[in-house]
Amino acid sequence: GPKVLQIPSHQIIDMGQMVTLNCDPVSNHLYFYWYKQILGQQMEFLVNFYNGKVMEKSKLFKDQFSVERPDGSYFTLKIQPTALEDSAVYFCASSLTDNNQAPLFGEGTRLSVL
Amino acid sequence: GDSVTQTEGLVTLTKGLPVMLNCTYQTTYSPFLFWYVQHLNEAPKLLLKSSTDNKRTEHQGFYATLHKSSSSFHLQKSSVQLSDSALYFCALRAYQGGRALIFGTGTTVSVSP
Repeated sequence: GPKVLQIPSHQIIDMGQMVTLNCDPVSNHLYFYWYKQILGQQMEFLVNFYNGKVMEKSKLFKDQFSVERPDGSYFTLKIQPTALEDSAVYFCASSLTDNNQAPLFGEGTRLSVL
Repeated sequence: GDSVTQTEGLVTLTKGLPVMLNCTYQTTYSPFLFWYVQHLNEAPKLLLKSSTDNKRTEHQGFYATLHKSSSSFHLQKSSVQLSDSALYFCALRAYQGGRALIFGTGTTVSVSP
């Protein structure tokens, strides 16, 4: 079946550096999401994206965060600069519609900020 | 604002027994409820979804009924298997209240032989 791919699966960086998390969503999907999960805890919404624009963002989506999907390629989450509390697993999801369709999640990128 | 409450953090039980995981929600908009299951180090996968009041929905032996009168969408299974050990999330999309899925804190189910 269709899959959302996330690259890399694990990223280790030093605090203060920039990191870009990549997501390859399902090809015909139009809505894209990022979620943050710490150590098997709650999935926390960060941001969703449609038609080249951020639709909604949560309080967790700090000024250091940005998202884009240039020319229909990867949907990326950039954190610049990173902080220790950004260590978590980041899940990308996509869906064709935003009403009754459940987002399909990728396997996540584990980000470790040292 | 919109929210989802899952009261059990951990449920431990023996294979073959029934299980019910509680989920209640708060929203002023028309709700769409989801159950996701997440096995260790894997992506959350959709288990069930519903926006229809008082209609049971089933998948892979799990079932749930959305009750708008009590704002609930409890997940049940008649006989759990070892492979059901996982983290279960209830999630809410309050249509026209926002497009993001709001997740509950999750319930870990641990099934022993």
